[in-house]
Amino acid sequence: GAVVSQHPSWVICKSGTSVKIECRSLDFQATTMFWYRQFPKQSLMLMATSNEGSKATYEQGVEKDKFLINHASLTLSTLTVTSAHPEDSSFYICSAKQGAEGKSPQHFGDGTRLSIL
Amino acid sequence: AQKITQTQPGMFVQEKEAVTLDCTYDTSDQSYGLFWYKQPSSGEMIFLIYQGSYDEQNATEGRYSLNFQKARKSANLVISASQLGDSAMYFCAMREGMGASKIIFGSGTRLSIRP
Repeated sequence: GAVVSQHPSWVICKSGTSVKIECRSLDFQATTMFWYRQFPKQSLMLMATSNEGSKATYEQGVEKDKFLINHASLTLSTLTVTSAHPEDSSFYICSAKQGAEGKSPQHFGDGTRLSIL
Repeated sequence: AQKITQTQPGMFVQEKEAVTLDCTYDTSDQSYGLFWYKQPSSGEMIFLIYQGSYDEQNATEGRYSLNFQKARKSANLVISASQLGDSAMYFCAMREGMGASKIIFGSGTRLSIRP
């Protein structure tokens, strides 16, 4: 089945550091990937839609300068949390959809737990 | 307005019993898709089942079935013969339109199976 790989799975770093998270579709091409954020015991909140070769589409309230998204190839999207602070600590998870059929589900990476000290 | 509503924050069910997780949705699109995902404590999102708005039959996948009532805009997940490994968070999600449209999640239901 379709596999989405996310790296790293866990990051602990000091406040002010920028952190890059990678999302790769391993066995299919994904022109569109999605980035979500999940706080403890809450649902997944869509942050942005990552489009290969063009600018990402951000959801309302998400700072595009804070969360930089690059989708340079059909198999890789990156999310960079710039100058991260403790309030950015969260579980970040990406997804990609295989195929154009409506019934094709989004496949998720295993997520990245980000802890900012 | 909330697009996906899951009214059960948590449920406890005895092992081997069937369980129904509620989900209602709101959309003005004629074409949409409904999904259920399972999230164990480890965090990964596991796709369970899909129902398209034009599908006439309720979707089934092994022990999972989706009770789709279009007029009532509900898409409840039914798990038959529950197992201890079913304990997890369950999210209902919807995609409006087709193609690579974004999907939006409900608030989730935490299901706990008692031995």
